[in-house]
Amino acid sequence: ELKVEQNPLFLSMQEGKNYTIYCNYSTTSDRLYWYRQDPGKSLESLFVLLSNGAVKQEGRLMASLDTKARLSTLHITAAVHDLSATYFCAAYLNDYKLSFGAGTTVTVRA
Amino acid sequence: SAVISQKPSRDICQRGTSLTIQCQVDSQVTMMFWYRQQPGQSLTLIATANQGSEATYESGFVIDKFPISRPNLTFSTLTVSNMSPEDSSIYLCSLHRAGEAFFGQGTRLTVV
Repeated sequence: ELKVEQNPLFLSMQEGKNYTIYCNYSTTSDRLYWYRQDPGKSLESLFVLLSNGAVKQEGRLMASLDTKARLSTLHITAAVHDLSATYFCAAYLNDYKLSFGAGTTVTVRA
Repeated sequence: SAVISQKPSRDICQRGTSLTIQCQVDSQVTMMFWYRQQPGQSLTLIATANQGSEATYESGFVIDKFPISRPNLTFSTLTVSNMSPEDSSIYLCSLHRAGEAFFGQGTRLTVV
């Protein structure tokens, strides 16, 4: 069974500071996904990481993947209020199935 | 990208009744997926819906409770049967395309 652990589960960010969300998974996985979910909304795809050492960046968000350590990180640079949301990582299981982490609820305060 | 339309977007249902959720996608896809997101929780895969064969259910989910139809390559339904308050969740359909996983906007179900 592929287990995915995210931490922290809750993150209170101060505007302008940098933070990291961690995503560990228990067994080998080919791909790692990051999603954002706003309250009452569906999931918005942020990144798909396909190989060891993969790094992707979009605006203030940067995601990386270390398949040997079974670890992905989502780094937030200079947090702004618009980044308040819940962030999920998900590891590819097989047959296009995903196993999701518990989610990290991010609140950005002034 | 992918366009995934789910109906209804939300519903409030009486316990003991059933609700059928529809998912329409913009182009043909072999596999569609149904997930459940309980309040304040993460997503859990319910089943994989394959066209032309029975759905494959994950551990803890059974066909009698969550019957699925897949009449063609662009459409699927999930029925939540004999509902109880514990079924109150968001139900999402999903597909894969070009290495990405896309999700519908979800159906927010409240059982009273």
